[in-house]
Amino acid sequence: AQSVTQPDIHITVSEGASLELRCNYSYGATPYLFWYVQSPGQGLQLLLKYFSGDTLVQGIKGFEAEFKRSQSSFNLRKPSVHWSDAAEYFCAVGGGLTGGGNKLTFGTGTQLKVEL
Amino acid sequence: DGGITQSPKYLFRKEGQNVTLSCEQNLNHDAMYWYRQDPGQGLRLIYYSQIVNDFQKGDIAEGYSVSREKKESFPLTVTSAQKNPTAFYLCASNGGRNYGYTFGSGTRLTVV
Repeated sequence: AQSVTQPDIHITVSEGASLELRCNYSYGATPYLFWYVQSPGQGLQLLLKYFSGDTLVQGIKGFEAEFKRSQSSFNLRKPSVHWSDAAEYFCAVGGGLTGGGNKLTFGTGTQLKVEL
Repeated sequence: DGGITQSPKYLFRKEGQNVTLSCEQNLNHDAMYWYRQDPGQGLRLIYYSQIVNDFQKGDIAEGYSVSREKKESFPLTVTSAQKNPTAFYLCASNGGRNYGYTFGSGTRLTVV
């Protein structure tokens, strides 16, 4: 069964500081990996996704993530955090177009607080 | 603009009543999904449908029902059998070609 672990429930960073949110996954084949962001009371917005190829993927809002197969990780990074980045972040893993009915499994989320 | 519309945004239900949450998409996506979100638990899959007139149970289907009579619509009914229905419900769709879900803005259901 596929699973995702986000070990940090809450993270606080100062505005302008760098950010790294951790994500570890378990999946039996080549995973499809995603990061989503959610503002309070809203739906989820896709930040970036990894299917294959270059293991460093760029997303929206200045975010990037690196796929490391040997560590089963897909950590999200941003060089300089803005106050508007405060939100909840979810990592997700899926089985591709035909695997598992395209079902995504989500982590429990990391709540990011930005101090001014 | 294409997207997913969930309605209503807030819903209150008395214990023992069934209630239906609406999800409509104009993205021409084949696959649609319902997730439940509770604090600290992430998103859990309730039901999903990959094609019209077909759907499968997710991880927490007990106490819920769905239908998929049209490609654009995937309503979720929360029945009286659901023991703890108060939660935030998210609908999503996936076009397959550009793998990655599109989410609606959610419905917050409160049992009073």
